[in-house]
This record gives sequence, structure tokens and C-alpha cells, in this order.
Amino acid sequence: EAQVTQNPRYLITVTGKKLTVTCSQNMNHEYMSWYRQDPGLGLRQIYYSMNVEVTDKGDVPEGYKVSRKEKRNFPLILESPSPNQTSLYFCASSLYRRALSPLHFGNGTRLTVT
Amino acid sequence: AQTVTQSQPEMSVQEAETVTLSCTYDTSESNYYLFWYKQPPSRQMILVIRQEAYKQQNATENRFSVNFQKAAKSFSLKISDSQLGDTAMYFCAFTLQTNTGNQFYFGTGTSLTVIP
Repeated sequence: EAQVTQNPRYLITVTGKKLTVTCSQNMNHEYMSWYRQDPGLGLRQIYYSMNVEVTDKGDVPEGYKVSRKEKRNFPLILESPSPNQTSLYFCASSLYRRALSPLHFGNGTRLTVT
Repeated sequence: AQTVTQSQPEMSVQEAETVTLSCTYDTSESNYYLFWYKQPPSRQMILVIRQEAYKQQNATENRFSVNFQKAAKSFSLKISDSQLGDTAMYFCAFTLQTNTGNQFYFGTGTSLTVIP
């Protein structure tokens, strides 16, 4: 089954404790991206990647890191989480250079930083 | 800058009735694609419908259709014969194909409640 797998679904952590949210897709998509969803703000892009070892900042990259060592995986890293990073996070992927190709989303990770 | 505006934060509709969700966007590009996504309480993001900007004909998917007005930069979603399962947050989005990747821009969402 074609899917984007995101883990964990829920995560509660404390300020400053490094964490990683994993994302994997099995559709051989070149393009992967991370979004955060906050009430009244919609989805805002954090980072995106066009292919292996190619990543770039989105609209709200501060406090986040990503890596793309393999085509299928695109983990989101919070080196020192803060309470303002409490949010719902989505990983998504699509075919690159085929703009009509929609984003395929993971099931989301609800992160709470206390 | 590219922007997407959904001016209706919340809407409600009676079951079996028709409802229209509005979306406007702003871009100076001419080649782009438009989407509506649905996010039910399960929070999964589900593609509802898509539209190529160069096509005049409005897209239709079963009970879902769009009214695409390119000159007005408007992309509204019409849901006919509303069902309880249509209760969800709806996001309008568009994408540009650029040299740096397919950039997606999302609106702030419209929360739709279907009333039995």
C-alpha cells in the first residue's frame, strides 16, 4: 500500500530534550516536506527536500533540522525543543517536477513540549 | 509572495443540502495547480479535488466540484448532498512548479459541520 509513515503519532517531551520525528514513504517520491499545523494559521512549511542530500528552508525553519540521506526517509529533528514548538506536524511527499501530483500526507504527529 | 485566503473560518450545512467554501489566492505566476484537502477529526489529510490552472473546465469528483475563476483568482469548493462524513476542516492549496521544487501554499482552513 502506497503511504507516508510518520512516527510517533503522539509525543510529550520537556524543554531542551532532543527529539526526532521519523517519516518514510514507499512511493519513490523525490519531493518530501514537513509542515506544522496550528489553529488559525493553517499549514506552514518547515523544510522541504527535492532529492537525496538536497534540502531547503520553508517558511518556519527556526528550531528545526532535517536530513535526507535516503530517498524514502526524511526525519525532522528538534535539537532543543521549546513550548512554542507544541503543534501538529505533518510529513508529506509528492512526485517532483509534476506539479499536478498532489501531496501525500502522513497521519501527523501531535507534539507537546512542556 | 504567494498567498491563499479562506475567509470563512467556520461553516455549517444541513445534511443533504449544498454548501460552498470560498478560497482566493494571489500569485503572479500563470502555471499552477489548485487543490482542496479535507481533514476529518482523525486528522488525516485527504485530497478532495484538484484543478490545473490552464484548464477552463471546472473539476468534478462525485459530489464535489469547484468553481475556478482564474481572472478573479478564486477557487471555491461546492459540496452537494452533504453527508455527515463531510464534517471536517477543509484546506485550499495551490502549488507552483519552480526550479527549487514544487512549493505548496495552504489557506488557514474552513471548519465545516454537517448537521443531521
